[in-house]
Amino acid sequence: NAGVTQTPKFQVLKTGQSMTLQCAQDMNHEYMSWYRQDPGMGLRLIHYSVGAGITDQGEVPNGYNVSRSTTEDFPLRLLSAAPSQTSVYFCASQRRGADNEQFFGPGTRLTVL
Amino acid sequence: AQTVTQSQPEMSVQEAETVTLSCTYDTSENNYYLFWYKQPPSRQMILVIRQEAYKQQNATENRFSVNFQKAAKSFSLKISDSQLGDTAMYFCAFMKHVWGGADGLTFGKGTHLIIQP
Repeated sequence: NAGVTQTPKFQVLKTGQSMTLQCAQDMNHEYMSWYRQDPGMGLRLIHYSVGAGITDQGEVPNGYNVSRSTTEDFPLRLLSAAPSQTSVYFCASQRRGADNEQFFGPGTRLTVL
Repeated sequence: AQTVTQSQPEMSVQEAETVTLSCTYDTSENNYYLFWYKQPPSRQMILVIRQEAYKQQNATENRFSVNFQKAAKSFSLKISDSQLGDTAMYFCAFMKHVWGGADGLTFGKGTHLIIQP
């Protein structure tokens, strides 16, 4: 199993540009989520999904969109990037109703100029 | 909403010493899980140890153990015989229990642990 994969590893955007951060998992986990990590902060939940076709907002959803068309993939979209979105983004997945361990991807470092 | 507080931004100990990282949390939930995650410079999030709130027995994983005090809402991590590879950021995290489901994690701000040779 590859686990949770994220692409790209690094990205630099200009203010106003759009992009999609990709996340995929091959463990057939129902639950997937996106977090952001800023300096001096722990991870904060952006959006999550409990299964294909179902998404919901976390603590800091503004400026981000998500969709979940398959169990495996959970992309995060920035429609109009802002410098405040400069951060490291982590995707995670978890088997529902199991031992509640969330498995994390390696992260994407995003810089918005 | 839940909050998780880690009051020690940075700690430094000598190799082979024992170190304890503090964590307190606030919640109105009765069923929940608590976690310690390690983040080395590679930035990969690695689960260190997990505690179910309904279990009174403290969790242990080799050199890592917790002191879970539910009434005090305290969840500290003890690392015994510390090693250079333990140098990392350590995050305490909370997840409320969802029957047959899953939920997001609420993290503290982290403690930077440095093991000196």
